[in-house]
Amino acid sequence: DTEVTQTPKHLVMGMTNKKSLKCEQHMGHRAMYWYKQKAKKPPELMFVYSYEKLSINESVPSRFSPECPNSSLLNLHLHALQPEDSALYLCASSQGGEGLIGTEAFFGQGTRLTVV
Amino acid sequence: AQKITQTQPGMFVQEKEAVTLDCTYDTSDPSYGLFWYKQPSSGEMIFLIYQGSYDQQNATEGRYSLNFQKARKSANLVISASQLGDSAMYFCAMREVYYGQNFVFGPGTRLSVLP
Repeated sequence: DTEVTQTPKHLVMGMTNKKSLKCEQHMGHRAMYWYKQKAKKPPELMFVYSYEKLSINESVPSRFSPECPNSSLLNLHLHALQPEDSALYLCASSQGGEGLIGTEAFFGQGTRLTVV
Repeated sequence: AQKITQTQPGMFVQEKEAVTLDCTYDTSDPSYGLFWYKQPSSGEMIFLIYQGSYDQQNATEGRYSLNFQKARKSANLVISASQLGDSAMYFCAMREVYYGQNFVFGPGTRLSVLP
C-alpha cells in the first residue's frame, strides 16, 4: 500500500466555521507533512511532523492547528479562516529521520478548500 | 533566495518527441537529493525520479531520465517519446541533509503535449 489518503476531497466553509482535514498513510513512514498550494504555484510547506512530534512550523497563522494522533494519522484543524486561505491542501509522508534524503515523499490527492 | 529555479513556465512538445525540462538549484549542503514530481489537473503529486548528490550516474526511470550536472547545479528532466498523458505541471524539488525533513519545490513548468 503506497497510498496517502486525504479526506474530504472538497470542502467549502464559512469564515466562522471549524473544520478538520484528515490524512492517513500505512507505509510506516515517520515523517508527515502539510503543504498549501495556491493555483499555478508550487506547494508551500506548512508543518512537518517527525515521529509524531511537530518538527517544523513555517510561521503558519494559528487559525491552522496541526495534530498527529499516531504514526499513521495527521489532521489539520481549521478555525476562523479567511478567503485567502482557499487553496489545495496536500498531505505527504516519507521515511523519517535525519539523513534520509534519498526517499521520496508520497502525496495524497489533496483537499480543495474554499472559504466563503 | 530561491533554492530551486525552473525557467520555463510553459513548454510545448509534439507527441512522440523528447522534451527537456530545466531545473537549477542552490545549496551549500554537501549532501542533498533532487526529485521530479508530476502534477496533473487532478492535483495529486506523482513522484517520477530521484538523483542523489553523490550518485555518479544519471538516474533513469522508464521514459524519464535526469541530466545531472553537479558543477552547474542543474538537474534537468528528459522525457522521451512524449505521450498525451504527460501533459501536466512538473516540479523539481530538493531535500537537503541539514534540513532533511523538508522538500523545497521550484515554481514548476507546465508541459503540453500536442497530438
